Amino acid sequence: DVKVTQSSRYLVKRTGEKVFLECVQDMDHENMFWYRQDPGLGLRLIYFSYDVKMKEKGDIPEGYSVSREKKERFSLILESASTNQTSMYLCASSSRNEQYFGPGTRLTVT
Amino acid sequence: SQQGEEDPQALSIQEGENATMNCSYKTSINNLQWYRQNSGRGLVHLILIRSNEREKHSGRLRVTLDTSKKSSSLLITASRAADTASYFCATETWGDDKIIFGKGTRLHILP
Repeated sequence: DVKVTQSSRYLVKRTGEKVFLECVQDMDHENMFWYRQDPGLGLRLIYFSYDVKMKEKGDIPEGYSVSREKKERFSLILESASTNQTSMYLCASSSRNEQYFGPGTRLTVT
Repeated sequence: SQQGEEDPQALSIQEGENATMNCSYKTSINNLQWYRQNSGRGLVHLILIRSNEREKHSGRLRVTLDTSKKSSSLLITASRAADTASYFCATETWGDDKIIFGKGTRLHILP
């Protein structure tokens, strides 16, 4: 079974802090994705990566950056957290069509 | 960019009844997928239907695809309490490795 893990289930950070969200997959998938999910807005793609050291902007990349130094790990970075980044963050990986999701990180920025 | 749009936004039915959710999309697709999300959790892939397929079954799930109407439906037969969740359709277009999710249908199965 594919396993996608995220570093934290719940996280509380202060405005202005630098925040790292880590995602690890164990199936040697090429593609990895970061989404945020907000009520009434569904899932919105922040960034994705096709390969190590490669990254592509999604629909809402502003205020975020990513890092993919190893194939199994895809990190989402909030350079300076703001209250409007309070959300559920979901990581996913895929090799072909279907995506496998981690359990999500609920981030609260105060 | 929103591609799929589910209908209805929320649905409550009695246990044992069938639940039908619909998805409409805008552009030509390679495939359409349905996912389930239990409250506060990640999404789980349920079923994928390719653009050249019209119907697909998996257990109690039946998915149809009408590319002329750019729409799909997900039918869950003989619903159970454990089917209470949000259901999302997602579309993949040709030559694109990313998929675009709709906003989801919240399904509540009443005991």
